[in-house]
Amino acid sequence: GPKVLQIPSHQIIDMGQMVTLNCDPVSNHLYFYWYKQILGQQMEFLVNFYNGKVMEKSKLFKDQFSVERPDGSYFTLKIQPTALEDSAVYFCASSLSGGIETLYFGSGTRLTVL
Amino acid sequence: TQTVSQSDAHVTVFEGDSVELRCNYSYGGSIYLSWYIQHHGHGLQFLLKYYSGNPVVQGVNGFEAEFSKSDSSFHLRKASVHWSDSAVYFCAVSAYGSSGNKLIFGIGTLLSVKP
Repeated sequence: GPKVLQIPSHQIIDMGQMVTLNCDPVSNHLYFYWYKQILGQQMEFLVNFYNGKVMEKSKLFKDQFSVERPDGSYFTLKIQPTALEDSAVYFCASSLSGGIETLYFGSGTRLTVL
Repeated sequence: TQTVSQSDAHVTVFEGDSVELRCNYSYGGSIYLSWYIQHHGHGLQFLLKYYSGNPVVQGVNGFEAEFSKSDSSFHLRKASVHWSDSAVYFCAVSAYGSSGNKLIFGIGTLLSVKP
């Protein structure tokens, strides 16, 4: 099936540093998402993005978070500065359109903030 | 506000057994329901979805789910499980018509299949 690639698979950084998580969505998809999963807990919606704009974000999407997809390249999640509670697995997803379209997920980036 | 509840945190069965993983939701409007599987260390893989029509939907690898409006449920079933079905299963709900497709996930059910 369609593949979403996430780079890197694991990132370790010191608290206060900036980190950028990269996502290569399915090529013809137009909607992009980030989800956060803390170990052993449920997957939680962070943000969705379409046509260069954030469509909706949750309360987990703090001011230190930002997303962009410059010129059809990677869809990125940037955290600046990072905090200890940002340690989690971040999953990127994409869909062809909104509404009832299927979301396709990447394998996740495990972020460890020390 | 949509919510989804998966009442069983862990289900253990033997290979060849049938299994039902339960999912209940709450939402009053038009709804879209789906199931995803997550093998250890991997991302979520889509299994199946329902938004209208036949309440029994077929998915990959022999899985099916049945939507019930009266019970507010969307339980996942498989007639004969294989050891490779061991994974965490997530039920998700979304109110379609909203911007994008904001899936709200349940806490997941760990399915362990013993040989």
